[in-house]
Amino acid sequence: NAGVTQTPKFRVLKTGQSMTLLCAQDMNHEYMYWYRQDPGMGLRLIHYSVGEGTTAKGEVPDGYNVSRLKKQNFLLGLESAAPSQTSVYFCASRTGQNTEAFFGQGTRLTVV
Amino acid sequence: EDQVTQSPEALRLQEGESSSLNCSYTVSGLRGLFWYRQDPGKGPEFLFTLYSAGEEKEKERLKATLTKKESFLHITAPKPEDSATYLCAAGRNRDDKIIFGKGTRLHILP
Repeated sequence: NAGVTQTPKFRVLKTGQSMTLLCAQDMNHEYMYWYRQDPGMGLRLIHYSVGEGTTAKGEVPDGYNVSRLKKQNFLLGLESAAPSQTSVYFCASRTGQNTEAFFGQGTRLTVV
Repeated sequence: EDQVTQSPEALRLQEGESSSLNCSYTVSGLRGLFWYRQDPGKGPEFLFTLYSAGEEKEKERLKATLTKKESFLHITAPKPEDSATYLCAAGRNRDDKIIFGKGTRLHILP
């Protein structure tokens, strides 16, 4: 049972390049979340989804887009990467309200 | 504005020295108070969920408690392997967001 899997684990981008981070879960969870974690800032919510075909903005959505075309996958896109987007990105999923979220191992992204 | 605030930011203890970590929250419509452990280079690992004031949960050397304004993570006779960052988070019923505190870095000295 893999749980929550993030791809890739590491990536270096040049300013202005685009990329997509993939989050896949095999627990049949309805809710999925994308966070970024920076030193001294904690985990900040970027976007989230409460079901297939739905997305919503979190606290820091600017510069990111998401899609949830399949229930098991949640994609995070950066259209034009900026150095300020250098961070560790975590995906999480949970069954629904009231339940705990399970996290992936993270993607370390550096934008130069 | 809803907030989750953890204190202290960092804590160093001797092995066997018990202590508590604090999580203060101001969240309207709380739907679960969560505790996680995070080791360097890894994703957060779930520890506990608390739903109502007065609730307590235990796991090995850890015990989590909840009041209407705070949650505490009590660590009894810690060991070096308990060293990690402990994160507190609150679920919110009006929009399904989970809001995290900045964490407490715990270091247990042998």
